[in-house]
Amino acid sequence: AQSVTQLGSHVSVSEGALVLLRCNYSSSVPPYLFWYVQYPNQGLQLLLKYTSAATLVKGINGFEAEFKKSETSFHLTKPSAHMSDAAEYFCAVSDPGAQKLVFGQGTRLTINP
Amino acid sequence: GAGVSQSPRYKVAKRGQDVALRCDPISGHVSLFWYQQALGQGPEFLTYFQNEAQLDKSGLPSDRFFAERPEGSVSTLKIQRTQQEDSAVYLCASGGINEQFFGPGTRLTVL
Repeated sequence: AQSVTQLGSHVSVSEGALVLLRCNYSSSVPPYLFWYVQYPNQGLQLLLKYTSAATLVKGINGFEAEFKKSETSFHLTKPSAHMSDAAEYFCAVSDPGAQKLVFGQGTRLTINP
Repeated sequence: GAGVSQSPRYKVAKRGQDVALRCDPISGHVSLFWYQQALGQGPEFLTYFQNEAQLDKSGLPSDRFFAERPEGSVSTLKIQRTQQEDSAVYLCASGGINEQFFGPGTRLTVL
């Protein structure tokens, strides 16, 4: 069975600092990997996705993530945090042969002025 | 429409009542998914449709949960005899294997 572990339920960084949100996955087949962002009382918005092409994936709002098979990781980074980045972030995995997404528990990102 | 819409946005039910939650997917999307998101948790898969066919309902927590998509567009998630543990946000998504577009969710509170 597939699973996702997000290390750190809460991450706090200063405005302008590096953002690093950690995600490790477990999958018996080469996975598809996703990062979603959720603002309060809103649905999930796709930030970026890895679907077996380039291992460094660039997404919206300056975020990027690198697929590392040897580490079974897909960490999300942004060089310089902005106040508007404060939200809940979810990492998800899917089996390319299946359709459903398996989500991690989420990481709440707080940006300090 | 521009995106996935869900109604109602908020629903309060007394324990034992039946509820129906509606999802309008993006026009033309073949795949439709339902997820349940408990407070402070990530979404968990409930069920998946391809057109009107329910291909995977392995995530439905009990036989009180029922989903349908009779004409391959709008979908309804029905919960019978609601229990307090059913309180959650129910998310609908449409799309495909490479991307799912999520609606804003229906927040269900069972008293």
